[in-house]
Amino acid sequence: GAVVSQHPSWVICKSGTSVKIECRSLDFQATTMFWYRQFPKQSLMLMATSNEGSKATYEQGVEKDKFLINHASLTLSTLTVTSAHPEDSSFYICSARALDRDRGSYQETQYFGPGTRLLVL
Amino acid sequence: GQNIDQPTEMTATEGAIVQINCTYQTSGFNGLFWYQQHAGEAPTFLSYNVLDGLEEKGRFSSFLSRSKGYSYLLLKELQMKDSASYLCAVHNAGNNRKLIWGLGTSLAVNP
Repeated sequence: GAVVSQHPSWVICKSGTSVKIECRSLDFQATTMFWYRQFPKQSLMLMATSNEGSKATYEQGVEKDKFLINHASLTLSTLTVTSAHPEDSSFYICSARALDRDRGSYQETQYFGPGTRLLVL
Repeated sequence: GQNIDQPTEMTATEGAIVQINCTYQTSGFNGLFWYQQHAGEAPTFLSYNVLDGLEEKGRFSSFLSRSKGYSYLLLKELQMKDSASYLCAVHNAGNNRKLIWGLGTSLAVNP
């Protein structure tokens, strides 16, 4: 269980266009999803926390008008990179938080989607 | 502030045992996670510790000492496929319940 999908896995676009990335929890409901960005050989960088039915919480330095997040249902969150530029080229990964039963208590684990590689020309 | 430290790189030999350490200083603590990330792929969940002690799961074990702000991931009977980056992350319950991530330890397993 706890499978997360992302679509598309690869996208190449021209500078100035917008790109939408979908993140879906396939076998569980996720009230919270997270969007990360990762540049080559660097660690994960949290961009925003997406809560179902409410506005996303963005990390400091992340432009909310450029990276639009919509978490319309318990199984789907979308990230739209608006007016993409070459410096936005990166590996975008979403995760969804699931509750796992663990010896009678609940642990919250983030399960990651396979990621989306964005290349802006 | 929030700080998680782990070694940048480690090298080990196939069949051996390796221990990857992680120390943390965070304003809140609600558990510690270890994830594995192969090059070009997303992280996959390995383990979760919230209580002190050792959690064993096959070839991988994870240890936590909350009083020392310390954890380690132990990998036994190393295989070539274990070459990956290992990420330590602290679940900070008071900070929008997000994970505070270390920079990762890149492990190279040599034949």
